[in-house]
Amino acid sequence: DGGITQSPKYLFRKEGQNVTLSCEQNLNHDAMYWYRQDPGQGLRLIYYSQIVNDFQKGDIAEGYSVSREKKESFPLTVTSAQKNPTAFYLCASKIMVNTEAFFGQGTRLTVV
Amino acid sequence: AQTVTQSQPEMSVQEAETVTLSCTYDTSESNYYLFWYKQPPSRQMILVIRQEAYKQQNATENRFSVNFQKAAKSFSLKISDSQLGDTAMYFCAFMKRGSQGNLIFGKGTKLSVKP
Repeated sequence: DGGITQSPKYLFRKEGQNVTLSCEQNLNHDAMYWYRQDPGQGLRLIYYSQIVNDFQKGDIAEGYSVSREKKESFPLTVTSAQKNPTAFYLCASKIMVNTEAFFGQGTRLTVV
Repeated sequence: AQTVTQSQPEMSVQEAETVTLSCTYDTSESNYYLFWYKQPPSRQMILVIRQEAYKQQNATENRFSVNFQKAAKSFSLKISDSQLGDTAMYFCAFMKRGSQGNLIFGKGTKLSVKP
């Protein structure tokens, strides 16, 4: 089945560690996005990419990094510079920018 | 900058009844899209309905319809014949046409459908 796969579903990180969240899509979509969701908040954009080897910062990019080496994959690294990383992270993709976004099932990251 | 406001943090409705969720937005753009997404307890975001700003006709998808008032910058979602499976967070989102495809979300409305 075509879709967006995020892994793992739950992730625990110790203080000071970097951690990478995986996002893979087999929809042949060009554009991919990372959003962060906090309780009582809407989704906020972290990073996005419209083509391979190119990506741009969103509204809350500080403490995060991404790569886009393949069309199918858009991993997000939460670095130790991110002061409050505990949140729910959602990856999305679009076939073109002016179309609706399809979302993965999310990764819940908890700092312990 | 665009903003999206959902003024109802929580709502409830009896099964089989109709409920309307409110959304207002602020923008100086004339070409844009509006969306309603549903986030059930599984937490996966699912598209409910989409509206292009240049279309005057309100979008409809089965039991879901919108009331799009462009001048008032209002985009409400009506759910008819509510079902238990409609229980979810509902997010209104704005996207400027020709932008990078970035969605701007409201804070959501938690809808509970009661049997």
